[in-house]
Amino acid sequence: SQQGEEDPQALSIQEGENATMNCSYKTSINNLQWYRQNSGRGLVHLILIRSNEREKHSGRLRVTLDTSKKSSSLLITASRAADTASYFCAAGNTNAGKSTFGDGTTLTVKP
Amino acid sequence: GAVVSQHPSRVICKSGTSVKIECRSLDFQATTMFWYRQFPKQSLMLMATSNEGSKATYEQGVEKDKFLINHASLTLSTLTVTSAHPEDSSFYICSARDGGGAPNTGELFFGEGSRLTVL
Repeated sequence: SQQGEEDPQALSIQEGENATMNCSYKTSINNLQWYRQNSGRGLVHLILIRSNEREKHSGRLRVTLDTSKKSSSLLITASRAADTASYFCAAGNTNAGKSTFGDGTTLTVKP
Repeated sequence: GAVVSQHPSRVICKSGTSVKIECRSLDFQATTMFWYRQFPKQSLMLMATSNEGSKATYEQGVEKDKFLINHASLTLSTLTVTSAHPEDSSFYICSARDGGGAPNTGELFFGEGSRLTVL
């Protein structure tokens, strides 16, 4: 099965609330990345966290990585309707030269 | 940021014809490009890894004679769906890794995707 399994599969919240998505992976990684995809579009890179990092911030995004549990979380604070999209994590093994994507979390932010 | 251009964005073709999709890195050299297929409401499935100047590496279950990949230059990779059939209808997305960046950067830059519909 694929690395990078997200949960929940779908999340619906009100504007202004925080959204938390989780990702688990199975094997060792060099980095883990989160991407966003609007319906019918390509993916947009949000944030990369390296295997030796535990937490990273970018604007309203906060990513954590727990390599002992092989899991990561993406927190979007003060969500906006424009944050509505699918979010994917990608477990990256630079030595293997590729990243493997999970099934994604579909986030709906209601105005 | 880095830009990857994918063309065409939409293509409709008749069953039995071949379709070529291009993926270009516009402002960086991409020694490695990746081709993904995505079904509605599903994740990206890696089809193959395209390395400049060498043969592509296909993932298990992907027919290399069906999905021809060419990476002739550091900025262009093409995916040709040969003798397309309705079951090949899908969203195809390419990504590129900046070969000139810091080692182990890992960030992938994605094209906007190409929606193929085979009638």
